[in-house]
Amino acid sequence: AQSVTQPDIHITVSEGASLELRCNYSYGATPYLFWYVQSPGQGLQLLLKYFSGDTLVQGIKGFEAEFKRSQSSFNLRKPSVHWSDAAEYFCAASGGYQKVTFGIGTKLQVIP
Amino acid sequence: DVKVTQSSRYLVKRTGEKVFLECVQDMDHENMFWYRQDPGLGLRLIYFSYDVKMKEKGDIPEGYSVSREKKERFSLILESASTNQTSMYLCASTPALHTYEQYFGPGTRLTVT
Repeated sequence: AQSVTQPDIHITVSEGASLELRCNYSYGATPYLFWYVQSPGQGLQLLLKYFSGDTLVQGIKGFEAEFKRSQSSFNLRKPSVHWSDAAEYFCAASGGYQKVTFGIGTKLQVIP
Repeated sequence: DVKVTQSSRYLVKRTGEKVFLECVQDMDHENMFWYRQDPGLGLRLIYFSYDVKMKEKGDIPEGYSVSREKKERFSLILESASTNQTSMYLCASTPALHTYEQYFGPGTRLTVT
């Protein structure tokens, strides 16, 4: 069955520290991959997406993600976290016909 | 900018009531989706629609129905609300058949008492 796994439910980082959020997928073929962010009380906003080509993808708000086929991973990174990055982050994948599978989300807490 | 709006941000209903959640998008998107979001479960697809009057079941359609009479509007219906349908409901849309980037509304937090 198709699945997206985010192994970390909650992560706390200090402001200014680097961040890496993990995501693994299980699909028959390489799916389209996404990272979304959800601020409290809001809908989801797309941070970045990978369809093909360069495996390092740049997104909005200074985020990037790296696709690693050998590890079935698509980890999200940011070199220096800001307090406004505190939110919930969802990894998602799609293999076809619009259906998107979401991970359970990782809540990011940023401490001063 | 793409805009997806949902009729209510917060809704409180009683068990057994019929509940309508409305979603409107203003960018002429063909595809629309309803998800529910629960802590520890992420987003789960309830129904989606790829055209007017067309609908497809998602992963958890039981207890829900949908209606799409106009391209811009997609309604989620709880025929007889139950407490286990207390959740955050998110609507999303996409512009074309093979575009998987979804645009989300702000969500409706539904409480069934």
